[in-house]
Amino acid sequence: NAGVTQTPKFRVLKTGQSMTLLCAQDMNHEYMYWYRQDPGMGLRLIHYSVGEGTTAKGEVPDGYNVSRLKKQNFLLGLESAAPSQTSVYFCASSWTGRDTDTQYFGPGTRLTVL
Amino acid sequence: AQTVTQSQPEMSVQEAETVTLSCTYDTSESDYYLFWYKQPPSRQMILVIRQEAYKQQNATENRFSVNFQKAAKSFSLKISDSQLGDAAMYFCAYRRPFNYGGSQGNLIFGKGTKLSVKP
Repeated sequence: NAGVTQTPKFRVLKTGQSMTLLCAQDMNHEYMYWYRQDPGMGLRLIHYSVGEGTTAKGEVPDGYNVSRLKKQNFLLGLESAAPSQTSVYFCASSWTGRDTDTQYFGPGTRLTVL
Repeated sequence: AQTVTQSQPEMSVQEAETVTLSCTYDTSESDYYLFWYKQPPSRQMILVIRQEAYKQQNATENRFSVNFQKAAKSFSLKISDSQLGDAAMYFCAYRRPFNYGGSQGNLIFGKGTKLSVKP
């Protein structure tokens, strides 16, 4: 049972390049989340999904797009990377959004934009 | 908007001793959930303990316990018998009730406290 996995683990981009981060979970969870973590900060929500085919904006959505074509996968896209998007990105999933459900986190992706 | 504040950027404890990490939060809601997450150097986010606001009893998980003071909006984490493996960043997080004001259950994090454990 792999839990939540993220691909890639590390990536370096040049300003203006695009890329997609992949999050996969094998727990049949309905809810999935993308957070970013910056130095000296806690995690902040970028986008989230409450089920296959649905997505919604979080606290810091600008510059990112997401898709949830399959229940087990949640993709985070950067169309034109900027240095301000240098961060560690975490994906999380939970069975539902209900309060007793734990969010399980992936190992993170460290992204550097030069 | 809800905010979570961790006033101690760094803490240090001697192995086998007890340490308390502080967390305060600001909310106008009466029902909510609070969490402590541990992030070791591996960066993996690990749930340590969870507290439901409607419960008066403080949550405990083995060597980890909380002191939840709802009126003061305080949620501190106590680690007893500290071990070298407890060294990590600790994040306090708040979660609104499901579907309350459009909430879909995302976590609001504090900035974290870095805990060092001395042998």
